[in-house]
Amino acid sequence: DADVTQTPRNRITKTGKRIMLECSQTKGHDRMYWYRQDPGLGLRLIYYSFDVKDINKGEISDGYSVSRQAQAKFSLSLESAIPNQTALYFCATSDFRFAGELFFGEGSRLTVL
Amino acid sequence: AQRVTQPEKLLSVFKGAPVELKCNYSYSGSPELFWYVQYSRQRLQLLLRHISRESIKGFTADLNKGETSFHLKKPFAQEEDSAMYYCALSFSGTYKYIFGTGTRLKVLA
Repeated sequence: DADVTQTPRNRITKTGKRIMLECSQTKGHDRMYWYRQDPGLGLRLIYYSFDVKDINKGEISDGYSVSRQAQAKFSLSLESAIPNQTALYFCATSDFRFAGELFFGEGSRLTVL
Repeated sequence: AQRVTQPEKLLSVFKGAPVELKCNYSYSGSPELFWYVQYSRQRLQLLLRHISRESIKGFTADLNKGETSFHLKKPFAQEEDSAMYYCALSFSGTYKYIFGTGTRLKVLA
């Protein structure tokens, strides 16, 4: 089945370490997104990309960077992780053919000690 | 600034009772509104969108531009409706989506 896959699913790291979360999709969608989910704060948009050459900041991009290596791959990096970046991170895709529907990955749980 | 507000963090109802999950938005343009649902141990998934004017799993939602609301309703709640529900807004034609803080619905037996 065409899917949105995130790796790693769980990661524990220490303050100051560099961490990368990866997202790959087999849906053939152009648009990819990174969100973080925090209790009581819902989902907040970090970055989004409409194609390989188009990267846009979301609501909370500070402390994060992204790379769109190919249409199917969109990575999120924390250059120097801090404890308040502990959260559940979701990758999502969308395509104009599906009238606004976002397709989500299973999430990557990151803990920064 | 564009914003989606879900005032209730938790809503508990008994099975068979009506359900209304509230969603208000602030956006000066023409919004596209959605409801997403996250069942236990499942991915976040689309429940319904306002442009479709459809009923999914017995849920409906009407866009009220005057009140800037998009409340989700179901006349008779079922236990399997227990989940986290998120209201989302897309800025017309941008494919950028922002979400509310979510409401956890618990349907009690």
